[in-house]
Amino acid sequence: GDSVTQMEGPVTLSEEAFLTINCTYTATGYPSLFWYVQYPGEGLQLLLKATKADDKGSNKGFEATYRKETTSFHLEKGSVQVSDSAVYFCALSGAYKLIFGTGTRLQVFP
Amino acid sequence: EAEVAQSPRYKITEKSQAVAFWCDPISGHATLYWYRQILGQGPELLVQFQDESVVDDSQLPKDRFSAERLKGVDSTLKIQPAELGDSAMYLCASSSSGPKNEQYFGPGTRLTVT
Repeated sequence: GDSVTQMEGPVTLSEEAFLTINCTYTATGYPSLFWYVQYPGEGLQLLLKATKADDKGSNKGFEATYRKETTSFHLEKGSVQVSDSAVYFCALSGAYKLIFGTGTRLQVFP
Repeated sequence: EAEVAQSPRYKITEKSQAVAFWCDPISGHATLYWYRQILGQGPELLVQFQDESVVDDSQLPKDRFSAERLKGVDSTLKIQPAELGDSAMYLCASSSSGPKNEQYFGPGTRLTVT
């Protein structure tokens, strides 16, 4: 079945460091891909999405490119801030539902 | 900006008691989802509604969980009786038409069963 695999956390960075969180997927067909962010005690917020191969989603300095050849959708940010500390979830839309990875906790220190 | 509303935000209940959660999706969103998120894991779909009809409840433990969306707007998720393993965050989400469109999540209800 469809699935999403994310790198394990926590990822610990200093402010202004470069961020990469790896995400790979297995799916039949052509899913849309998403990154969601969850701040402590809150629900999930959509961060960015891509609906077809080679699309790049971007928002708030975060970027991810839909790579069909490597079945990947890695999240990147050039310079992280303390306020980016949260849990990040990669997800794909299957035939009729959203499938999430297990999440990667990001901790950014001043 | 329109938001998905959920209540209560926190609920503590004793084992074997009944508990209910409420969700009001974004106005006009036909599709509504209930997810369960166990601490340290990603959300897992419990039930999906299209208007008032259930599209998918394959992961809903039907012996103790029930969900309804009577008028195709707001929805209630019920657990009876609650078990210790039901302690989790229960998230509601809505989308305009199906999972390939963006899902908007509510703040969730944190359930603790003692």
